[in-house]
Amino acid sequence: EVQLVESGGGLVQPGGSLRLSCEASGFTFSSYTMNWVRQAPGKGLEWISYISTISHTIYYADSVKGRFTISRDNAKDSLHLQMNSLRVEDTAVYYCARDRNVWAGEFDYWGRGTLVTVSS
Amino acid sequence: DIQMTQSPSSLSASVGDRVTITCRASQGISNYLAWFQQKPGKAPKSLIYGASSLQSGVPSKFSGSGSGTDFTLTISSLQPEDFATYYCQQYKTNPFTFGPGTRVDIK
Repeated sequence: EVQLVESGGGLVQPGGSLRLSCEASGFTFSSYTMNWVRQAPGKGLEWISYISTISHTIYYADSVKGRFTISRDNAKDSLHLQMNSLRVEDTAVYYCARDRNVWAGEFDYWGRGTLVTVSS
Repeated sequence: DIQMTQSPSSLSASVGDRVTITCRASQGISNYLAWFQQKPGKAPKSLIYGASSLQSGVPSKFSGSGSGTDFTLTISSLQPEDFATYYCQQYKTNPFTFGPGTRVDIK
């Protein structure tokens, strides 16, 4: 069974940093491209980052470019999101999502999410 | 960026009803369109990819159609577990963008 479990969320002050992780199991992690998607409280879904299987291709949404860094460790079946210079508007549930196939952005499995709250 | 719109933004329906949700892209996306279901407090669930292909394990009461800029999601006979918010998403080009969602609730 495919499982994605996010962790690392919490309360952080504006300007602070946080590192999210997504632990994968039930599939060959190194064979799949991965994404982070977030959802602000009461709002819709926003894709924020993509990483290819061996990290050679990375994309970011403009809203996080220069502040967030996506990475993966295929030896540990894990995906990460380093978030720096956090803003109040980054408050959201952050989901990791697997791409179904070779086409970027075609999500099939999602984790349950981890809540990040940016507030003073 | 490609903008996605959905209509209606919300609808009320009864168990057994046939429900159709429309999604429109601001430019042609071929069939690079997905649909997701989300219940309150839960993660999104993938329903359809490639505009009309069902994800594994998704019941056949869900169907998708369309190509280019106009797409639809149809639920053939609404059941209590189908009351949720539905999102479309394009993955033709980065950034991958979602529609604002359509909330389906009980009449």
